[in-house]
Amino acid sequence: QKEVEQDPGPLSVPEGAIVSLNCTYSNSAFQYFMWYRQYSRKGPELLMYTYSSGNKEDGRFTAQVDKSSKYISLFIRDSQPSDSATYLCAVQGTGAGSYQLTFGKGTKLSVIP
Amino acid sequence: GAVVSQHPSRVICKSGTSVKIECRSLDFQATTMFWYRQFPKKSLMLMATSNEGSKATYEQGVEKDKFLINHASLTLSTLTVTSAHPEDSSFYICSASRLAGGSQRQPQHFGDGTRLSIL
Repeated sequence: QKEVEQDPGPLSVPEGAIVSLNCTYSNSAFQYFMWYRQYSRKGPELLMYTYSSGNKEDGRFTAQVDKSSKYISLFIRDSQPSDSATYLCAVQGTGAGSYQLTFGKGTKLSVIP
Repeated sequence: GAVVSQHPSRVICKSGTSVKIECRSLDFQATTMFWYRQFPKKSLMLMATSNEGSKATYEQGVEKDKFLINHASLTLSTLTVTSAHPEDSSFYICSASRLAGGSQRQPQHFGDGTRLSIL
């Protein structure tokens, strides 16, 4: 079983739709959870960074973490064509030296005008 | 913000050339920087962790003599691809984390990547 599972899509939605992106992870040692957005030929851009279970909201984006089921989600409200990108989930541990991120494969999202 | 600048963004060169890529944290200090490689339609693969003032830690399968990393200051790390060959062609991305006290992790912020093409 891979450490982080993410459906690669592609996912295509109409403009204005609510988008739900999800990842599952296998190791309960992971305590930090991130969502990155990556446009073609660019580096990943940090969207959300959370530590605890629950919801975190930032504008049209909501990150949700459920540590009991090892499930993380990103919701995008009122999706826009400019949201079309690949979305990467990432997890990180807390032990000494555990700075590295473990990424999901990324979900390619297209928002159709 | 937390801006990471990577230079150059694109390199095309002949086989056998050595190529240096710079990664700078512009508005924060970073004791740790990371170098990734990304193949088309694939996720990021960690190559090495760069620590200021000490040797880099390379992931299994990454040749340290091929990919030289130097982290000379709290805002600059460099990756040099030595004697590059066509199989080294790829998208190389760096990231950096802010200095933080205690055990609190800080998120990694990424540069915009360097597209390397070896002819």
